[in-house]
Amino acid sequence: GAVVSQHPSRVICKSGTSVKIECRSLDFQATTMFWYRQFPKQSLMLMATSNEGSKATYEQGVEKDKFLINHASLTLSTLTVTSAHPEDSSFYICSARGPGGAGGETQYFGPGTRLLVL
Amino acid sequence: GEDVEQSLFLSVREGDSSVINCTYIDSSSTYLYWYKQEPGAGLQLLTYIFSNMDMKQDQRLTVLLNKKDKHLSLRIADTQTGDSAIYFCAETVNTDKLIFGTGTRLQVFP
Repeated sequence: GAVVSQHPSRVICKSGTSVKIECRSLDFQATTMFWYRQFPKQSLMLMATSNEGSKATYEQGVEKDKFLINHASLTLSTLTVTSAHPEDSSFYICSARGPGGAGGETQYFGPGTRLLVL
Repeated sequence: GEDVEQSLFLSVREGDSSVINCTYIDSSSTYLYWYKQEPGAGLQLLTYIFSNMDMKQDQRLTVLLNKKDKHLSLRIADTQTGDSAIYFCAETVNTDKLIFGTGTRLQVFP
């Protein structure tokens, strides 16, 4: 149980286009999902916390107009990178909070999406 | 510093024990975690420890916590080649957010 999927797993796009990444909790409902960004050989940085039915909470320094987050249902959150540029190239990972409380042990991670902007 | 710090790299021989260290930043953290990341993949939760514990053992994994020094370690007994990966420690702040360490790349050679 507690499986989180991401789609696509890998995407290459041209500079200036927008890219949507989906994060789904497959066998549980997730009122809260998290989006992380990971640069090569670096740690994960939390970008935003997404709550179903409300606006996402962005971390300091993350442009909310650049990284649009929608959490329209209890099993799906989307991250749209708008007007992507080469510096947006990164590995994007989502996690979903499963049942059992608010601790980090209940966060289940997706396999990640590698974005390359040319 | 402001980062949750880990040593960058660790190399061990198969069958030996590995010890990965972490210095975290928030003394009020309630839970501390160890995650494993294989190349191009997401994170796998290995184990976690509640802040009122000093030690937790789970099969080949032993976690030690020194709250006074804000030091966390992960010991992997009988390390195997399949243990080669990047290991991240993490702490929760306000139970909502995970703050990750800088990551330690473990390489196991035969």
